[in-house]
Amino acid sequence: SQQGEEDPQALSIQEGENATMNCSYKTSINNLQWYRQNSGRGLVHLILIRSNEREKHSGRLRVTLDTSKKSSSLLITASRAADTASYFCATDPEKLVFGKGTKLTVNP
Amino acid sequence: EPEVTQTPSHQVTQMGQEVILRCVPISNHLYFYWYRQILGQKVEFLVSFYNNEISEKSEIFDDQFSVERPDGSNFTLKIRSTKLEDSAMYFCASSERAGRQPQHFGDGTRLSIL
Repeated sequence: SQQGEEDPQALSIQEGENATMNCSYKTSINNLQWYRQNSGRGLVHLILIRSNEREKHSGRLRVTLDTSKKSSSLLITASRAADTASYFCATDPEKLVFGKGTKLTVNP
Repeated sequence: EPEVTQTPSHQVTQMGQEVILRCVPISNHLYFYWYRQILGQKVEFLVSFYNNEISEKSEIFDDQFSVERPDGSNFTLKIRSTKLEDSAMYFCASSERAGRQPQHFGDGTRLSIL
C-alpha cells in the first residue's frame, strides 16, 4: 500500500505560530501530495512535490521530501484560525490512499 | 476556478432503496473517482474510471455499487439495496491525468440510510 501516515494525530497552536506536520510512507514514489479537509467538506489539494524535489513552497506552505527516509513534512507559517482543518498526505498511485491525518486547531 | 460539483448535498433514503449520486467533474479532466468517508473515519477509495470503464476498484466497491458516465458531463454512483452501513459522505473527484496530477474533490453528498 502507498498509504501515508501523518504525525502528530492532533496539533493545537496559537494564531501566528508555525505548524509542522509529518508524513511517512512505505514504498518508492513519483510524487507526494498534501490535502486539507475542513470539517464536513471535500478535500482540497494543497501542494504536490515530485520525487526529485527536496523542498517546495506555496504561499505560507513549505513542503519537504526526504526519499531516503521516506518522509515528508508540511510547514504552515504564521498560522491563522482559518487553517484549522485536517491535513493528509497521499502518494502517487491512481487511487489516493489517505491516512488518519493531522487535525490542526489554530486558536485565535 | 473550475470545480467539481455534486448533487444532492444531502440524500435521505430508506434501507433497501436505490440511490444515485451525481457529480459533474471538471470539464477537461479525464479521470474520475469516488471516495467514501464514514463519520469520524478515513476517506476511503471506492473506484476510479477512465475512458468509459472502471480502471480500479476497492474491496468496498462490490456488486451493490456501479458507476456510469451517461453523457459528456455527468459521472454517477449508483448504490442498490442500500444498507444502514452505507451511510457516509461520498466524494467525487477528477483529475487531468492519473497519478501525476492532483485530484480535485467536490464537497460531497451526505447519504443517510434510515
